[in-house]
Amino acid sequence: SAVISQKPSRDICQRGTSLTIQCQVDSQVTMMFWYRQQPGQSLTLIATANQGSEATYESGFVIDKFPISRPNLTFSTLTVSNMSPEDSSIYLCSAIWDRSTYEQYFGPGTRLTVT
Amino acid sequence: QQPVQSPQAVILREGEDAVINCSSSKALYSVHWYRQKHGEAPVFLMILLKGGEQKGHEKISASFNEKKQQSSLYLTASQLSYSGTYFCGTSGGGNKLTFGTGTQLKVEL
Repeated sequence: SAVISQKPSRDICQRGTSLTIQCQVDSQVTMMFWYRQQPGQSLTLIATANQGSEATYESGFVIDKFPISRPNLTFSTLTVSNMSPEDSSIYLCSAIWDRSTYEQYFGPGTRLTVT
Repeated sequence: QQPVQSPQAVILREGEDAVINCSSSKALYSVHWYRQKHGEAPVFLMILLKGGEQKGHEKISASFNEKKQQSSLYLTASQLSYSGTYFCGTSGGGNKLTFGTGTQLKVEL
């Protein structure tokens, strides 16, 4: 079965700093996404990570705050920049291997606390 | 807009059945169902596509009414392992998902 890993699994950061989250999949995928899930809430799509080009951001999310890279078909990073306590959340990456089935699988998430 | 799920929460005794509904204000191409346990990633359950058949495996099945822009998840003879928060994820086409409000399900002995 598909394996998605994320690093770090959790972190506590000071406001004003930045954190980069890594997402690694075990085989080439068609699409990768980044989501945010605030405690007790649903998942919100941040952006689609495009291989070799700029990410596609959803309304309310901007590149300066959440720069994303996807240098190849198995790896992506999300940076949370200039953090504030409101950025405290779980950040999850997801991937689609087969575009024809649309099945989307999630990584274990990164729990971020900003103090 | 975010799909609305009902009920928000439900408590079952082991062996009971449950239905979770997902309603969208937009036309849908696909509906995905996930279960998330506390502190864990959402786990993919199944996907229903426009024009496709009702899906199911073991004691969990789902239906998709395209005209009503609704989907329902059916849990039969619930087990303790079914406890968690269930999310529907909807797409109007393409691969981006909009997740529903969530339904907390707890199965007790």
